[in-house]
Amino acid sequence: AQKVTQAQTEISVVEKEDVTLDCVYETRDTTYYLFWYKQPPSGELVFLIRRNSFDEQNEISGRYSWNFQKSTSSFNFTITASQVVDSAVYFCALSESYGNNRLAFGKGNQVVVIP
Amino acid sequence: EAQVTQNPRYLITVTGKKLTVTCSQNMNHEYMSWYRQDPGLGLRQIYYSMNVEVTDKGDVPEGYKVSRKEKRNFPLILESPSPNQTSLYFCASSFRRADGYTFGSGTRLTVV
Repeated sequence: AQKVTQAQTEISVVEKEDVTLDCVYETRDTTYYLFWYKQPPSGELVFLIRRNSFDEQNEISGRYSWNFQKSTSSFNFTITASQVVDSAVYFCALSESYGNNRLAFGKGNQVVVIP
Repeated sequence: EAQVTQNPRYLITVTGKKLTVTCSQNMNHEYMSWYRQDPGLGLRQIYYSMNVEVTDKGDVPEGYKVSRKEKRNFPLILESPSPNQTSLYFCASSFRRADGYTFGSGTRLTVV
């Protein structure tokens, strides 16, 4: 079964610092999909990005960037020049190409940006 | 607006009193799922549905029931709630696996 590990539970940074969230995954499937979600203090889950296993291009969206490395089974997320509004829990998730369309989530990273 | 709507947002109930959390999506999605979120345990799938009348268990189905009589609706039923079902619940829908899920706003349930 698929598994996602986010080792750091809580990360505190001072505003304008960069922060990188590590995500390591396990799957036996050759086709799979990776995601990052943000959960702000209000509680909803906000989709940030998806990546399929055949697309190893890194991506940048504003202050957010993602580094997908199949060789190390990692899909890391960096917030550049963090802002207080980035304070949230960030989840990495994995879906395989067969079975019940189950999104397997990591435990999440609580990011606290200190003004 | 494309969305997943779940109700209620907050619910306090007593042990053993049957309740239903409703979920509806307006995106014509095939897949729907229920997740629960607990501190230290992350999000875990309760039940999922791949289409109308097709449902199956996820990781933590005990104590829950679901039905999918129409494509847009996927209610979560707790026949006899217990305190260990106190949690934050999310309904989600997806058109295909590669898209990931769109989540509802969550239902915070407390069973006393």
